[in-house]
Amino acid sequence: AQTVTQSQPEMSVQEAETVTLSCTYDTSESDYYLFWYKQPPSRQMILVIRQEAYKQQNATENRFSVNFQKAAKSFSLKISDSQLGDAAMYFCAYPGNAGGTSYGKLTFGQGTILTVHP
Amino acid sequence: GAVVSQHPSWVICKSGTSVKIECRSLDFQATTMFWYRQFPKQSLMLMATSNEGSKATYEQGVEKDKFLINHASLTLSTLTVTSAHPEDSSFYICSAPGQGTYEQYFGPGTRLTVT
Repeated sequence: AQTVTQSQPEMSVQEAETVTLSCTYDTSESDYYLFWYKQPPSRQMILVIRQEAYKQQNATENRFSVNFQKAAKSFSLKISDSQLGDAAMYFCAYPGNAGGTSYGKLTFGQGTILTVHP
Repeated sequence: GAVVSQHPSWVICKSGTSVKIECRSLDFQATTMFWYRQFPKQSLMLMATSNEGSKATYEQGVEKDKFLINHASLTLSTLTVTSAHPEDSSFYICSAPGQGTYEQYFGPGTRLTVT
């Protein structure tokens, strides 16, 4: 069974500084994707960044980047130049193996509440 | 981008009544949709997979007779909470996988309060 673990229930960061959110997962698959989703107070789930397991290069999206360590099954999210609008709950998610029959059934980590201080 | 809507966004019902929540993919077709439940400050828990043209598949521990799912068309899935009780009060979110992509598109969620 796939599991996703976020060990930081809450994190805080000063505006303009950098913060890293941790995530580990467990899977026996070799080809898969990993996602970070953001859930602001509106509770709308927003995709932050996506990583393809077969790509060695870490994904980046503007101020958001990941540190993907496949062998260690680690997938952390780094937010640079933090902004007040980054305050939200962040979820790491695993959708199953690419092309598999159960693909799309997201397994979420427990979530990390990020507070940004002005 | 792909848009998923949910209706209603917030519903209050009395204990013992039933309530229906709709999930629509507005600009794409979805043969599969997923229903999640979320309690405050907690993670999303998958309840069931809605399949167009066939029965929904439920996750272990989810009462299929209480949470009725109907995938009426390629753009609409409904979740009916039957004989609702206060413990069913929660935030319900649906999602649909994008065609040709590997990400999920989420609806804005429905807050259910049972009094």
